[in-house]
Amino acid sequence: GESVGLHLPTLSVQEGDNSIINCAYSNSASDYFIWYKQESGKGPQFIIDIRSNMDKRQGQRVTVLLNKTVKHLSLQIAATQPGDSAVYFCAENGVGGSYIPTFGRGTSLIVHP
Amino acid sequence: DGGITQSPKYLFRKEGQNVTLSCEQNLNHDAMYWYRQDPGQGLRLIYYSQIVNDFQKGDIAEGYSVSREKKESFPLTVTSAQKNPTAFYLCASSATAYTEAFFGQGTRLTVV
Repeated sequence: GESVGLHLPTLSVQEGDNSIINCAYSNSASDYFIWYKQESGKGPQFIIDIRSNMDKRQGQRVTVLLNKTVKHLSLQIAATQPGDSAVYFCAENGVGGSYIPTFGRGTSLIVHP
Repeated sequence: DGGITQSPKYLFRKEGQNVTLSCEQNLNHDAMYWYRQDPGQGLRLIYYSQIVNDFQKGDIAEGYSVSREKKESFPLTVTSAQKNPTAFYLCASSATAYTEAFFGQGTRLTVV
């Protein structure tokens, strides 16, 4: 079946560096993508989203890029801080109006002070 | 404050017992979901409901049951048929297909 996946299970960076977390999706009909952050022992929290009619969306210190040609999504975190250490998931939904968010395996971001 | 509440935070189950996990939301969301998360893994969909009195199986529904009698509530029962129930269970809700899902803080279920 089609699924959302992540390239790297773990990413280690130094505090102050920029972080890039990647995600590949295989369902070309997906039209809504979301990044979530999950801290240990807690539920995922929304970070940023993007619709398929956009290539880029910026938030506070975060940017999501969408490349529909190669079905690739990335999350960029500027000036990464220790508080950014968490697991990051991309999710897709909206296929055919479907409510159901489908999640990838996640990437663990470790920020070293 | 609006949000989604799961209870209890920790739950222990004996072999052969059924247990029910609570999920309540006051966000007026139509859609609600249950996910299971195992250590170091992603979220796998157990059941979802897009409207009151209707629900569908997700990818790993065997050994689980749900009900959706009220818009605010979507309880999950882990039955004795679920052979490996120890996991972190997450409930979520969303307003539409094009808005983010809001998650509860999870219930950690352990079989003793």
